[in-house]
Formats: sequence, C-alpha cells, structure tokens
Amino acid sequence: DAGVTQSPTHLIKTRGQQVTLRCSPKSGHDTVSWYQQALGQGPQFIFQYYEEEERQRGNFPDRFSGHQFPNYSSELNVNALLLGDSALYLCASIWGGGDSAWGANVLTFGAGSRLTVL
Amino acid sequence: ILNVEQSPQSLHVQEGDSTNFTCSFPSSNFYALHWYRWETAKSPEALFVMTLNGDEKKKGRISATLNTKEGYSYLYIKGSQPEDSATYLCALDRDDKIIFGKGTRLHILP
Repeated sequence: DAGVTQSPTHLIKTRGQQVTLRCSPKSGHDTVSWYQQALGQGPQFIFQYYEEEERQRGNFPDRFSGHQFPNYSSELNVNALLLGDSALYLCASIWGGGDSAWGANVLTFGAGSRLTVL
Repeated sequence: ILNVEQSPQSLHVQEGDSTNFTCSFPSSNFYALHWYRWETAKSPEALFVMTLNGDEKKKGRISATLNTKEGYSYLYIKGSQPEDSATYLCALDRDDKIIFGKGTRLHILP
C-alpha cells in the first residue's frame, strides 16, 4: 500500500523563478493538504484540495496556487519566488469521510520537498 | 488566527526517565486534537487523535490526555528510550483545517 509520495525531493531555484511540486496521495485518500515548514517553525497550512477544488486556505499570498487532478494527485505552484519561500513543503492526504480506525481525519504525510531559493 | 502553542520548544531527557510536554489551544469549538511524531529524515506520523474532554489515549509507553474546557493536552513518555528522540507536533482540527504548533524537540541522552 503506497503512502504519500512527493517529488522532487530537493530543488534549488533563484529569486523570481517559479516552481511546481507534486504529490500523490495515499491509496484510498481523496483530500490533499499542503504545508510549509520553515526553519524553526511548525508546519504552516497552505491549502487543501478536495474534488479538484481548493476548499480551505491558510494565510499565504496568491503566489501560492495549486491543483488537484481527477486521480486525486495534486500540485503546488509558487510564482515569483522569494528567499523566504525556502522551506520544506509537506503534502498530506486524508480520506474526506474520516478514518474509522482513528475516529477522525488523520493526516498521512509524504517525505516532503526541500526548496532552496537563492 | 488560530494559535496552537507547544512547550517546551526543546527538551533533553536522560534515557530511562519519564517526561511530558504541553499543547495549548483556544478552548473553543474544535473537532479533534492530534499528536504526531516526526523523526529525523522521516515523515510525521500520527500518534493520537482525541475528540472528547477527558480523553486519554495510550500506545505503549506514550500516552496523551485532553482537557477541552481549559484548552490543553499533555503528552507523556514513560521510561524514555533512544528511539523516542523526535519532534512531537500537536495539531488542532477546526473549521476544516488542521493547524500545527511549532513542536517540542525531544532529545534522549544515553
């Protein structure tokens, strides 16, 4: 049973460039959330996708956008990169109906994509 | 803005000792309180999900409690082992968002 997979693992960009990160959710999961984890911080919620639409959004500028495909996989796009966008970007999936084993939604995380902006 | 506060930020514990740390959050309506363990070079993994006031969950040497009225949760580790070294994240599920604290970094000393 494949867990959450993310690509690429690491990447380096320069200021002003654009980046696309990809995520395949755990088998059976239909909802994908993206988080940014900067140095010394906890994971910051960027947005959540369900049924190919952005359902919830955190306090991130419009430079951060996303997409969800019919197979539930998702992309995170960041335009006009800033030095401050350097971080670990985590993708997490859930099944929108709730996990009966846990009694609530539980996130399954990927290993993350480490973005460095120079 | 929903703030989930965790303390301490970092903790060093001798192997074999027991320890605990705290997660504080606004004691208003929320759906669930989560604890995750994040080991170096791995992905965060769920430890516990709690929804009811007075909930207590246990997994081996690790347990957690929830007080929804005063807005806190405790995570306890009994007889710390080297494999317990990790960052422990607390998260609140509210308004269809799961919001994380900054975590407590636990170091187990041999």
